[in-house]
Amino acid sequence: DAKTTQPTSMDCAEGRAANLPCNHSTISGNEYVYWYRQIHSQGPQYIIHGLKNNETNEMASLIITEDRKSSTLILPHATLRDTAVYYCIVPKRGTYKYIFGTGTRLKVLA
Amino acid sequence: SAVISQKPSRDICQRGTSLTIQCQVDSQVTMMFWYRQQPGQSLTLIATANQGSEATYESGFVIDKFPISRPNLTFSTLTVSNMSPEDSSIYLCSVDPKGGQHNEQFFGPGTRLTVL
Repeated sequence: DAKTTQPTSMDCAEGRAANLPCNHSTISGNEYVYWYRQIHSQGPQYIIHGLKNNETNEMASLIITEDRKSSTLILPHATLRDTAVYYCIVPKRGTYKYIFGTGTRLKVLA
Repeated sequence: SAVISQKPSRDICQRGTSLTIQCQVDSQVTMMFWYRQQPGQSLTLIATANQGSEATYESGFVIDKFPISRPNLTFSTLTVSNMSPEDSSIYLCSVDPKGGQHNEQFFGPGTRLTVL
């Protein structure tokens, strides 16, 4: 199964872009990368997912490297409400089961 | 999308007792998952509960400890049996409304369980 590695924590100034990296070097060709976040005491919230092309939605952008071994989640204008733990997930091989890593604790600073 | 509610939202229980957690979805879904989140930790998948079949458990989780029911496409229960303080966690359910077509899962708000 593809294992994901993320930095434990990051800080970002309010209004600036937050760039959260994820390493998934053992990902296979047909496995998607999903990003979720968990704000304190809530269930995880879906942000975005992708296979090989860069993706953008109203919440964020996802940049996947050409070799697909890493990706970056970009929150273009971070606000205090974006303070959360961000999880990069590659489902268990051949299934839709999520294996959560430790995630990145993002703190947006005023 | 899917809106999920869980009951109870929190509970404090005595060791040796059991608690049943309910997960209700506002639409019919095939795939439902149960997770545990121990204090300060990430989420760990307990089992997959698909309607019409037995739940499948992940390594380290057994049916005797965490029996699951899935009577219909909008509802599931997870029971935490013979509880000990180590079972103190947040228990969450999630659903995959589109049945695994590489789309997002939706998570409930969680049930915060404290075992004394």
